[in-house]
Amino acid sequence: DTGVSQNPRHKITKRGQNVTFRCDPISEHNRLYWYRQTLGQGPEFLTYFQNEAQLEKSRLLSDRFSAERPKGSFSTLEIQRTEQGDSAMYLCASSLDGGGEQYFGPGTRLTVT
Amino acid sequence: AQRVTQPEKLLSVFKGAPVELKCNYSYSGSPELFWYVQYSRQRLQLLLRHISRESIKGFTADLNKGETSFHLKKPFAQEEDSAMYYCALGPTGANSKLTFGKGITLSVRP
Repeated sequence: DTGVSQNPRHKITKRGQNVTFRCDPISEHNRLYWYRQTLGQGPEFLTYFQNEAQLEKSRLLSDRFSAERPKGSFSTLEIQRTEQGDSAMYLCASSLDGGGEQYFGPGTRLTVT
Repeated sequence: AQRVTQPEKLLSVFKGAPVELKCNYSYSGSPELFWYVQYSRQRLQLLLRHISRESIKGFTADLNKGETSFHLKKPFAQEEDSAMYYCALGPTGANSKLTFGKGITLSVRP
């Protein structure tokens, strides 16, 4: 296990298209988090899962965003009808229980043209 | 509401100079504070957390509840310390998220 992985690393899409990102956490970690980071800002929390249950969602997560973690392992984040404002780095992190040490993936950079 | 403030965007020092990266937080309960670091072309990683009270790579940070601060310090900066540093708050209680500041770029010149 080499840590948290994310695919794709880069995604360029046209406005109005749907995109889906995947995150594979560290295998023994039961918590998985999604963050979004725009230029000049720190990561902003989007949502998190404990096992397969989605326990918290930020107000940043509009109806166009949906996240799943069907078997408590990998997670997907889907953005429907993308807008230019969705352009950002999407980060995934995992942790064991509620510990504050979260292990981050390399991120998926989304560009909406 | 939770908030983390890093008042400076950039700190540039010469090698061997002391470093202090400022962080202030807003939280009504008992906070848990962290410093995360991102080196060039690497992923975000934990540098240190206040409850461990240890020095990592020569960096220390003391939680000052009276001033609601968690400044990161190093007495003698090294070129390899050049990176982006983020102060983060949480998780606290039932809230599992981390709240990050905007980050500060530390540049250590030879």
